[in-house]
Amino acid sequence: EAGVVQSPRYKIIEKKQPVAFWCNPISGHNTLYWYRQNLGQGPELLIRYENEEAVDDSQLPKDRFSAERLKGVDSTLKIQPAELGDSAVYLCASSSQDEKETQYFGPGTRLLVL
Amino acid sequence: AQTVTQSQPEMSVQEAETVTLSCTYDTSESDYYLFWYKQPPSRQMILVIRQEAYKQQNATENRFSVNFQKAAKSFSLKISDSQLGDAAMYFCAYRRGGATNKLIFGTGTLLAVQP
Repeated sequence: EAGVVQSPRYKIIEKKQPVAFWCNPISGHNTLYWYRQNLGQGPELLIRYENEEAVDDSQLPKDRFSAERLKGVDSTLKIQPAELGDSAVYLCASSSQDEKETQYFGPGTRLLVL
Repeated sequence: AQTVTQSQPEMSVQEAETVTLSCTYDTSESDYYLFWYKQPPSRQMILVIRQEAYKQQNATENRFSVNFQKAAKSFSLKISDSQLGDAAMYFCAYRRGGATNKLIFGTGTLLAVQP
């Protein structure tokens, strides 16, 4: 069974440029999460989706970050415009009720803003 | 608010030996889950082991086992017969029970395995 897929794996951009990350969850997983992991830290939740509905976006900086999960499957996280402090690893995870909502992670996207 | 603390930034173990990684957490909830995740240099966060708070029996997965002390709010990970491939950052994580909820992670412990 395929795991969580993310792309791109790496992205280097200049500040003020836009950037987008894509995630495809494990087939059948209704819940999708975006986390941000700063260097030397554990991941922190940005947004959580139940199917196509964002049910927890309290930690998402809404002035520059946006996300969507059309049709309740894959998801896109966007930053516009990017700032130097956005440099981090962006992790996507998914879960299902069948596995007691254990979260499985993708390989992440490492973003460097210059 | 729930918090997770990992007090060992780095640990080292000889190959084939046993090592224990510490984790404490703070919560007022009675229904929750605890996890250990492994993150190698490739950055993929891999689930190592899961413990439900309502279960008294400690979870075990092959060479990995936990010591879950609910009253003390302690959740340590024991790795037996350490292998070179166990070298990674290990994160302890907490999740409130009930509906789907976010994971709250500790700051991680970097484990080195010496040949």
